Amino acid sequence: GAVVSQHPSRVICKSGTSVKIECRSLDFQATTMFWYRQFPKKSLMLMATSNEGSKATYEQGVEKDKFLINHASLTLSTLTVTSAHPEDSSFYICSARGRRAEQYFGPGTRLTVT
Amino acid sequence: KNEVEQSPQNLTAQEGEFITINCSYSVGISALHWLQQHPGGGIVSLFMLSSGKKKHGRLIATINIQEKHSSLHITASHPRDSAVYICAVLSGGGADGLTFGKGTHLIIQP
Repeated sequence: GAVVSQHPSRVICKSGTSVKIECRSLDFQATTMFWYRQFPKKSLMLMATSNEGSKATYEQGVEKDKFLINHASLTLSTLTVTSAHPEDSSFYICSARGRRAEQYFGPGTRLTVT
Repeated sequence: KNEVEQSPQNLTAQEGEFITINCSYSVGISALHWLQQHPGGGIVSLFMLSSGKKKHGRLIATINIQEKHSSLHITASHPRDSAVYICAVLSGGGADGLTFGKGTHLIIQP
């Protein structure tokens, strides 16, 4: 089946630095990519929706200047956590939706900010 | 906004038992996903359903659109099935992301 990859799978960074997470659809074109965040023992929460070539749409309460999303091609979206703080430590998951509305999930990226 | 409820929240069973996890939602959907999340956090997509029933190995997923309800069944459960199972729904035209249930924490004891 279709595969979505995320890189890195785990990252530890110092407070104040920026971290970029990549989400790639490996064998299909993703017209839309979604970024989710999961706090410990909580459900996944949608952060933003990005369509290829256009600006991302952020959910209420998500700071667009802090979580920069770029969807430069039909196979790649990136999430950059800028000026990371310990409270940004979380599990970030992307999903990609193809032209037939099928949706596939990346394996997730665990971010720890020290 | 769609409300997604899963039950039970926690389930401990013995190896070999038949497992059922339920998911109900409040608003009509275009698709429903069942996801499996292991302790490390990685997510595996098990099924995507819009009607009827799907089977993959020991896993069976059913959906009743009229009743706004889906079930995930595991036959001949095994300790390696221990994980969090999450139901997620795609509402309406699918322009928005998924709405997730809180998950069911399943433990299968040997």
